[in-house]
Amino acid sequence: KAGVTQTPRYLIKTRGQQVTLSCSPISGHRSVSWYQQTPGQGLQFLFEYFSETQRNKGNFPGRFSGRQFSNSRSEMNVSTLELGDSALYLCASVAGTATSTDTQYFGPGTRLTVL
Amino acid sequence: AQSVTQPDIHITVSEGASLELRCNYSYGATPYLFWYVQSPGQGLQLLLKYFSGDTLVQGIKGFEAEFKRSQSSFNLRKPSVHWSDAAEYFCAVAKSGGYQKVTFGTGTKLQVIP
Repeated sequence: KAGVTQTPRYLIKTRGQQVTLSCSPISGHRSVSWYQQTPGQGLQFLFEYFSETQRNKGNFPGRFSGRQFSNSRSEMNVSTLELGDSALYLCASVAGTATSTDTQYFGPGTRLTVL
Repeated sequence: AQSVTQPDIHITVSEGASLELRCNYSYGATPYLFWYVQSPGQGLQLLLKYFSGDTLVQGIKGFEAEFKRSQSSFNLRKPSVHWSDAAEYFCAVAKSGGYQKVTFGTGTKLQVIP
């Protein structure tokens, strides 16, 4: 079974641009979460989707948005990029229901650099 | 709000020595607790998780952790460290109900010396 895949793996953008990152969960997984990892702030929860519905959102500005498709693939979008948005963006998926106790699997991440 | 504290930013141990990484959490109810490992340039891999039941949890790669409610701790242990264990380790907590909102600690970098 293929793992969580994220595309692209590396991305360079300039301030003010927008970016879309993609995450394909493990087949059969319905929950997808996104995290931002930076040296200064560590790992921070962005949002979580289950069956196309956003169930939880972290403390990020509205420039960060996401969505999930019927096939469970998810995208996150960051508009009006700022230098501080440079980070490793990690996607994770888990099978099961809203109260799943299954293992959460992480993708390799997308390294976003904002110049 | 839930929170996690990993008091040790960096730890160095000799290969073959025992290891204990500390984790303290803050959460009003029974938490879901996790330990993850991240190698440089990689995503996170789950080592073990605690949801309920036996407070001593066995994980992959020979790791174990013990949930101590009275101390709000979930320390990670390994009896004999291998050079390949060098990585960054993250403790995390989620509210009961699974992975809806996971809060991570700041991580502990483990260096293993021969």
